[in-house]
Amino acid sequence: AQSVTQLDSQVPVFEEAPVELRCNYSSSVSVYLFWYVQYPNQGLQLLLKYLSGSTLVESINGFEAEFNKSQTSFHLRKPSVHISDTAEYFCAVSDPKTSYDKVIFGPGTSLSVIP
Amino acid sequence: EAGVAQSPRYKIIEKRQSVAFWCNPISGHATLYWYQQILGQGPKLLIQFQNNGVVDDSQLPKDRFSAERLKGVDSTLKIQPAKLEDSAVYLCASSLFRGNSYNEQFFGPGTRLTVL
Repeated sequence: AQSVTQLDSQVPVFEEAPVELRCNYSSSVSVYLFWYVQYPNQGLQLLLKYLSGSTLVESINGFEAEFNKSQTSFHLRKPSVHISDTAEYFCAVSDPKTSYDKVIFGPGTSLSVIP
Repeated sequence: EAGVAQSPRYKIIEKRQSVAFWCNPISGHATLYWYQQILGQGPKLLIQFQNNGVVDDSQLPKDRFSAERLKGVDSTLKIQPAKLEDSAVYLCASSLFRGNSYNEQFFGPGTRLTVL
């Protein structure tokens, strides 16, 4: 069964500094990969996804993630964070061969942007 | 377009009591999911419906949890009787169904349950 590891439970970072949130998944022949964001007292929102094609995927608010098959990683990065990026970030995976819509979530990383 | 609606937003009960949560998915979405999100953990799928049929309930504790989606639209998740470890946020999500391909899940705001 698929599993997701997010090694950093909390990441504090100063405003306008770069950030990387790490995500590793258990190996599989093929995967769909996702990053979700959860703002305080809100539901999850899809931030970006990798289904196929280019290994570098981007969101509309400046985040990007790169699918690295050899390292089974899908780290999330942003070159300059804003206060509004403070939220919980969840990496997730699904197996398109067996259950494409069964999404397995990691434990989450709490990003705190410090003014 | 209205999002996924859930109620109540918060619920506090004592152990051994019963509780029910309601979810109304986005109009036209055939697939509905219930997740349990315990503090400090990622969401865990409890049950998935396709229209009014159950697709996956392998992680639903069936001795105390039940869910239904009788008309293939809104859904109710019930816990009876509740235990302390059921304290969590219960998230509902929905997606279109377009065959065997990826369909984005849209999440509601969740119901935060506290069991005392």
